[in-house]
Parts: sequence; C-alpha cells; structure tokens
Amino acid sequence: SAVISQKPSRDICQRGTSLTIQCQVDSQVTMMFWYRQQPGQSLTLIATANQGSEATYESGFVIDKFPISRPNLTFSTLTVSNMSPEDSSIYLCSARTGSGNTIYFGEGSWLTVV
Amino acid sequence: TQLLEQSPQFLSIQEGENLTVYCNSSSVFSSLQWYRQEPGEGPVLLVTVVTGGEVKKLKRLTFQFGDARKDSSLHITAAQPGDTGLYLCAGANNDMRFGAGTRLTVKP
Repeated sequence: SAVISQKPSRDICQRGTSLTIQCQVDSQVTMMFWYRQQPGQSLTLIATANQGSEATYESGFVIDKFPISRPNLTFSTLTVSNMSPEDSSIYLCSARTGSGNTIYFGEGSWLTVV
Repeated sequence: TQLLEQSPQFLSIQEGENLTVYCNSSSVFSSLQWYRQEPGEGPVLLVTVVTGGEVKKLKRLTFQFGDARKDSSLHITAAQPGDTGLYLCAGANNDMRFGAGTRLTVKP
C-alpha cells in the first residue's frame, strides 16, 4: 500500500491567483495521477504525472492552466493557475504502486476561489 | 459521457433493507475498484476485483466483477445508517476512470 499526503488540505484563494498543491508518497510509485472532484460530482482525471517529462493531460485540461511537476518517484505538484470560482473543487493526488492493480488516494485539497 | 455508467445515482432506503449498485461499461478493465467517500474526506478503497467472475465479500458488502471484466456490482445486505455515503466504482487500465457515483442514504 501507499500513504499519500497532500498539502494544503484546504485553502481559500483569491480570483486570479495561482496555488500549488503538493503530493508526497511514502514509497516509490510507478504512476501518479491528479484528479478533480467538483461539488457533488465524481472524480475526473486531470492528468498523469510523468517523472522527468511533461504530464499527459486528459481532454479538457491544459498545461497552461494546470502545470504539473514530478521530479522524482515520490513527489508531485499540481498548480491551479489564474483561478476563477469555477475552479473551486477538491483536487486529489493518487498513485499506483509497482505492478499492482490498486490506485491509492490522498485526502484531497479543498480549494475555494472567491 | 462517463466511461463507466453507475446506477442508481441516488438511493434512499430504510435501515435493514438490501440494495445493489451497478457499474457498467463497454470497455474491458484490468481491474475494477470500489470506493466509499464521506463528506470532507477523500475516497477510501473498499475492494479491488481483478478476475472475471470474481466475487469478494467484506462483511455485509458483496462485490462481483463481470465475466467479461466490463461491469461490476456492489450488494449491501441489511444496510445500516453507517453505510451512508458516496460509493464510486472505478475501472483501471493504465489509469483509473470513475463512474458518476451512487449517493446512498440509509435512514434509521
């Protein structure tokens, strides 16, 4: 298994600003992902964070808005840029260990944009 | 359009009743996972099913993976108020895609 820590856990942000969310895993993992969960909805995959190269983004998400870094096998960041109230969501980091089938989640970062 | 169709979306039942949640897709998955999420928390893994036809039991919860690995069901026997929450199915290949979720309310 993997223990995933995210910070900040919650934040209230001003419109037009950017915020970087950090994700730390307690063991080396093969794959890391970032999801968004808008109020009352399910999880939507934003991107796969690739170590040492550009993230792979899903349709509807772009690097300029959600730049992602993954400098090593245990750490990743997601930046939400130029925030608007529509970006108010839970942002979740997840990771897959080795060749296992299970993907584990952090507790999420709850962002409110005012 | 959701890759995984989950139904029902909302379910409100009385304590002691049984219920089944369905998760269907046209895609084949290497594994399928069920999560439960409570307000203010991240999703918590309940089970991973890998083999077509596999059945797993977790106390009063029974999970089944379809023979073709495209669908799954979650059956809860004698539901309790503590079962209230958002239940999410997620199909995994290289990444993981989620269904829309089933919001279950169990009334005492």
